[in-house]
Amino acid sequence: GQQVMQIPQYQHVQEGEDFTTYCNSSTTLSNIQWYKQRPGGHPVFLIQLVKSGEVKKQKRLTFQFGEAKKNSSLHITATQTTDVGTYFCAGPVVTGGSYIPTFGRGTSLIVHP
Amino acid sequence: GAVVSQHPSWVICKSGTSVKIECRSLDFQATTMFWYRQFPKQSLMLMATSNEGSKATYEQGVEKDKFLINHASLTLSTLTVTSAHPEDSSFYICSAARTASSYNSPLHFGNGTRLTVT
Repeated sequence: GQQVMQIPQYQHVQEGEDFTTYCNSSTTLSNIQWYKQRPGGHPVFLIQLVKSGEVKKQKRLTFQFGEAKKNSSLHITATQTTDVGTYFCAGPVVTGGSYIPTFGRGTSLIVHP
Repeated sequence: GAVVSQHPSWVICKSGTSVKIECRSLDFQATTMFWYRQFPKQSLMLMATSNEGSKATYEQGVEKDKFLINHASLTLSTLTVTSAHPEDSSFYICSAARTASSYNSPLHFGNGTRLTVT
C-alpha cells in the first residue's frame, strides 16, 4: 500500500553542524506537512508544502517539496540544542476512499553541545 | 495556546480495568479526529479515525471492541481502553484539523496521555 518513508531514523550532530531529514512517498502527494515533537511532548505543526518544487524557509529551517511531489526534505543550518526532537513528515494517503494523514517514522535529532 | 485539549495527561490503572481518554477541540469544531498510539522512540501509529455522529474507522489490526471510540459532539471524541492489560501501556495522542478537509489542513495534537497498566 501507499507509504511515507523517512530517513534517517536518528542523527547525532555537534552543535553548529547542519542536519537534513528526507521523506519519500510511494505515490504523488497533494501536500506534505512537517511536525516537530520535543522529547516528552506532542507533535507540533511546522509547515505545509503544496506546490511542486516549493521551497519554504523558517529561520534556520529550509523545507523542500520535490518536483514530482513524491519527496521532501527538511534542512536545519547550524543546529542548536533547542533543535533537539523528532521531526516527522506527513502526507495525505488514500485509505478506504478517504485521505488519511500518514506519518513517516520520524528522524530523531540529537545535538551535542 | 492549545487548540486541542487531551485529558488525562497520565493515568495508572490496574489490569482488567477500563480507562477513558478525552480529546476536545477548544476553539473549532472537528468532524474528524484521529487517535494515535506511540511507543517509546517510535512513530505515530494511527489507530482509528473518529467521525462525529458515526462509527469510527479503525486501522487494520486495531481491535474496535477493545479501543472504543465515541465522537458524540463536534468538539469531543473519547477513546476508552477496555479491560486494559500491561501491553496496552503506551502514549496515546489525539489530533484534529480545523477544517473538514483534514487532508490539507495542519493537524493540532493534544498533549497526549501516558497510560501505564500495572
